[in-house]
Amino acid sequence: NAGVMQNPRHLVRRRGQEARLRCSPMKGHSHVYWYRQLPEEGLKFMVYLQKENIIDESGMPKERFSAEFPKEGPSILRIQQVVRGDSAAYFCASSLDNSIQPQHFGDGTRLSIL
Amino acid sequence: SQELEQSPQSLIVQEGKNLTINCTSSKTLYGLYWYKQKYGEGLIFLMMLQKGGEEKSHEKITAKLDEKKQQSSLHITASQPSHAGTYLCGADRNDYKLSFGAGTTVTVRA
Repeated sequence: NAGVMQNPRHLVRRRGQEARLRCSPMKGHSHVYWYRQLPEEGLKFMVYLQKENIIDESGMPKERFSAEFPKEGPSILRIQQVVRGDSAAYFCASSLDNSIQPQHFGDGTRLSIL
Repeated sequence: SQELEQSPQSLIVQEGKNLTINCTSSKTLYGLYWYKQKYGEGLIFLMMLQKGGEEKSHEKITAKLDEKKQQSSLHITASQPSHAGTYLCGADRNDYKLSFGAGTTVTVRA
């Protein structure tokens, strides 16, 4: 299965800890997108990355959140000093390029903050 | 306010019956995507529509985009339990970030 792989599927953190979410795009895809789905809300764009570059982070909170997509390895969404409001499902998607190509999604990481 | 309005919010259909979900945008779309999401799982790509008036079908699911590229419908013929889930439409405004409707939850009763 060469789909978008996200891990972990479930992550529990206490307030103040750090959360690291990983995403490996589909084979051959060099464009990665992160979305967040809050309880009872729709899916919202967070950040768009290409290898070693952040293209658009307009949907990402200014503080505590960061994302990277290194030359080697998966894309990482990092949340520092987590708070209860960070509890959500975080989805990663990838595409072949950024033109009219479908974004394929992973199964998500469910983050729960105690 | 939602950039994309989906209707209905939820629906229950008897197995074997047809159903239609609508997705409306106030602005012209560059592209329109349909996804299906089962509870607690990821999004499964169904179809992508780009041209005004375009219609695509896959198995028992048909999606259309109107000529103005502001409204799309998803139609399922002879629904089955496997069609249950939440259907999401996603708008591409030629800026690579998709904006999604709130979703339509479909329940299929045997």
